[in-house]
Amino acid sequence: KAGVTQTPRYLIKTRGQQVTLSCSPISGHRSVSWYQQTPGQGLQFLFEYFSETQRNKGNFPGRFSGRQFSNSRSEMNVSTLELGDSALYLCASSLDSGLATGTQYFGPGTRLLVL
Amino acid sequence: GNSVTQMEGPVTLSEEAFLTINCTYTATGYPSLFWYVQYPGEGLQLLLKATKADDKGSNKGFEATYRKETTSFHLEKGSVQVSDSAVYFCALSDQNQAGTALIFGKGTTLSVSS
Repeated sequence: KAGVTQTPRYLIKTRGQQVTLSCSPISGHRSVSWYQQTPGQGLQFLFEYFSETQRNKGNFPGRFSGRQFSNSRSEMNVSTLELGDSALYLCASSLDSGLATGTQYFGPGTRLLVL
Repeated sequence: GNSVTQMEGPVTLSEEAFLTINCTYTATGYPSLFWYVQYPGEGLQLLLKATKADDKGSNKGFEATYRKETTSFHLEKGSVQVSDSAVYFCALSDQNQAGTALIFGKGTTLSVSS
């Protein structure tokens, strides 16, 4: 079974631009979560989507948004990029939104550099 | 709120040494606990998990026991290898009505030399 895939793997943008990252979950998985990883803040939860609905949201500004499609693929968008948005963005999928019965499987990440 | 605290790294060991990485947590309710590992340039891989008190998770020679009384989930391995060099993250599930999220510790870098 193919794992979680993320595209692109690397991105360079400039301040003020916007960016869209894509995530394809493991086949059959309906929950997709996004995390931001930085050296200073570590791994922080952005949001979770389940059956095309945002089920949970972390403490990030509204510039960070996401969506999920009917095939469970997900995209996240960051508008008006700031230098501090430079990070590794990780996507994780699970069978359902309940971690008691499921486990999150992570993709390789998209490394975003904002100049 | 819920949180995870891991021992600060880096941890430097010789091959075949015993490994312990401490992890303690603060949580309401009964979270599931996880250890994830991240190799250079890669995403996170699930190493092991435990879903209730006194459960022991194990995988690839690594073990961790869910201790509710001490709110701990320490990672251990009896004999480390060079290939175990990576960053290890302790995490808990933060389940609420709206869904779930993983809360991670800061990570502990392990470096094993031959």
